[in-house]
Amino acid sequence: EDQVTQSPEALRLQEGESSSLNCSYTVSGLRGLFWYRQDPGKGPEFLFTLYSAGEEKEKERLKATLTKKESFLHITAPKPEDSATYLCAVQRGSGNTGKLIFGQGTTLQVKP
Amino acid sequence: ETGVTQTPRHLVMGMTNKKSLKCEQHLGHNAMYWYKQSAKKPLELMFVYSLEERVENNSVPSRFSPECPNSSHLFLHLHTLQPEDSALYLCASSPREGQGTQYFGPGTRLLVL
Repeated sequence: EDQVTQSPEALRLQEGESSSLNCSYTVSGLRGLFWYRQDPGKGPEFLFTLYSAGEEKEKERLKATLTKKESFLHITAPKPEDSATYLCAVQRGSGNTGKLIFGQGTTLQVKP
Repeated sequence: ETGVTQTPRHLVMGMTNKKSLKCEQHLGHNAMYWYKQSAKKPLELMFVYSLEERVENNSVPSRFSPECPNSSHLFLHLHTLQPEDSALYLCASSPREGQGTQYFGPGTRLLVL
């Protein structure tokens, strides 16, 4: 059964304190792993897609990496505006309907 | 309007009511999705439409009835809902069917009394 588990559930950081969010997955043939950001009262916003183990993507203070079993979202020197819920999702290789299987998310709070 | 819009943003309904949620995408995309987001649970896919044709129904109860009259509009018709159906309902779109990079609307917060 396809499954995505994110940890920790919640994370509190001081501004400038770097850390990582984890996304462990089990999927029958990975087609892609996706990171989204969700602010309160809004829909998820796409951040990154990773397709194969060893791949890395960066955007400002965020860097996503992928292995065969998990993905990390590294946050370097975070700012209060990085506070949000970060969602990880996988898409399996078979089928083509775009179905994403999401984890429960990690809620990040960055204090000034 | 830009991106994906949803109306209403908030909805309270009784178990015997009939209501509809509306989604409109202004991105020229061909695929549209309905998701359900409940408290403490992962985002869950409900339906997928590609060029107005339903291509996935993720075992959703018949009290939820989707409609896609054209590639820009998506509706979710609700009738005889249960309190456990209270959730945030999110609409999304992608350029083509099968793409995991999806653009979400702000959602409709539904409360069933």
